[in-house]
Amino acid sequence: ETGVTQTPRHLVMGMTNKKSLKCEQHLGHNAMYWYKQSAKKPLELMFVYNFKEQTENNSVPSRFSPECPNSSHLFLHLHTLQPEDSALYLCASSQEAEIHPLHFGNGTRLTVT
Amino acid sequence: GQNIDQPTEMTATEGAIVQINCTYQTSGFNGLFWYQQHAGEAPTFLSYNVLDGLEEKGRFSSFLSRSKGYSYLLLKELQMKDSASYLCAVKDSNYQLIWGAGTKLIIKP
Repeated sequence: ETGVTQTPRHLVMGMTNKKSLKCEQHLGHNAMYWYKQSAKKPLELMFVYNFKEQTENNSVPSRFSPECPNSSHLFLHLHTLQPEDSALYLCASSQEAEIHPLHFGNGTRLTVT
Repeated sequence: GQNIDQPTEMTATEGAIVQINCTYQTSGFNGLFWYQQHAGEAPTFLSYNVLDGLEEKGRFSSFLSRSKGYSYLLLKELQMKDSASYLCAVKDSNYQLIWGAGTKLIIKP
């Protein structure tokens, strides 16, 4: 149990589908993050929310849409994805943005067909 | 640009010692982190260095030299469960984390 729970663990979707990834943290943290992890590449920061406000959007395509309804929950809405978007999507939380370390979930393995 | 370099893969023997190096070129420095990630699992925090020197935590130690832009993670008395990827990350002057691609460590009996 990592304190950060992601669902689903695996997702296969077609390029025309719409799906959502969910993340929930039970650590009382105020910052939550979405990262993309591709094989043999550094973690890519996608979005940061601090006290429910989005503070980072690292030039992520609009086909990825984050939502943070409260400090404990984070969603990543997906639509019209491309095969190159296939990767492991990791959610993380920390006490506040810029205060580390990060606590990660086990990720969602996404395959776009 | 900002860059973190670490070896892609290393192999070591159970019971031995292994050193995983990390070199960095970043805009400023506010600390260096090591994370461990087993296949299919979440990265987990191992260590944090902000001052030069060696930080020891059980079988794992982490070293930092800010003047050389260099760190290493030292794993002693290797166990099979230490087979994992080890991620190096540096917090730059804007407090953004810059990540290395990770080192896959394979432990052989």
